[in-house]
Amino acid sequence: QQPVQSPQAVILREGEDAVINCSSSKALYSVHWYRQKHGEAPVFLMILLKGGEQKGHEKISASFNEKKQQSSLYLTASQLSYSGTYFCGTGGAEAGGTSYGKLTFGQGTILTVHP
Amino acid sequence: NAGVTQTPKFQVLKTGQSMTLQCAQDMNHEYMSWYRQDPGMGLRLIHYSVGAGITDQGEVPNGYNVSRSTTEDFPLRLLSAAPSQTSVYFCASSPRNQPQHFGDGTRLSIL
Repeated sequence: QQPVQSPQAVILREGEDAVINCSSSKALYSVHWYRQKHGEAPVFLMILLKGGEQKGHEKISASFNEKKQQSSLYLTASQLSYSGTYFCGTGGAEAGGTSYGKLTFGQGTILTVHP
Repeated sequence: NAGVTQTPKFQVLKTGQSMTLQCAQDMNHEYMSWYRQDPGMGLRLIHYSVGAGITDQGEVPNGYNVSRSTTEDFPLRLLSAAPSQTSVYFCASSPRNQPQHFGDGTRLSIL
């Protein structure tokens, strides 16, 4: 079942912060975050694994609450280059969690950063 | 290092025609997957493979066939194209337990 992302769209000014949420109705082993620019391929940002591990990438960080089956992506002091569509991809808790090639993606959150 | 290469980049087909979308990776990745992307729907998994000779269905497999005879190649076949298969198709690959790398996509229109 497809995870649900919120909000569907967000508009920011440079320097502002944003949070994108990803919720699943099924047990999760991993959450993968990707960013896609218009007309381009999705680009990997980070993986969150079961255990609530928090990973960071420059000014982008994320958390994973396995109890709530939810992940959040935090964008701090946004830059123009952060604009794009953000997708979460979820891997189920089956077969030892080695389901990296079999992700279920949310519908995406469109982030627009203005000068 | 070419990464994940998809061909063609654009294709227009008529209803009922068949064709094969090519995907090749030169990174010796075990896992390969095909997704389709439609507006407002995100990426949906069509088929995936965990190694040469091993394939399995994803979320939306109907109307598509795959095979994996080598580690490098994972072609996607449309058996009889339908307008509902108009979409952008992405191939992705990854090593075991590592994040996926996506190709640039094939934009397919079916008239």
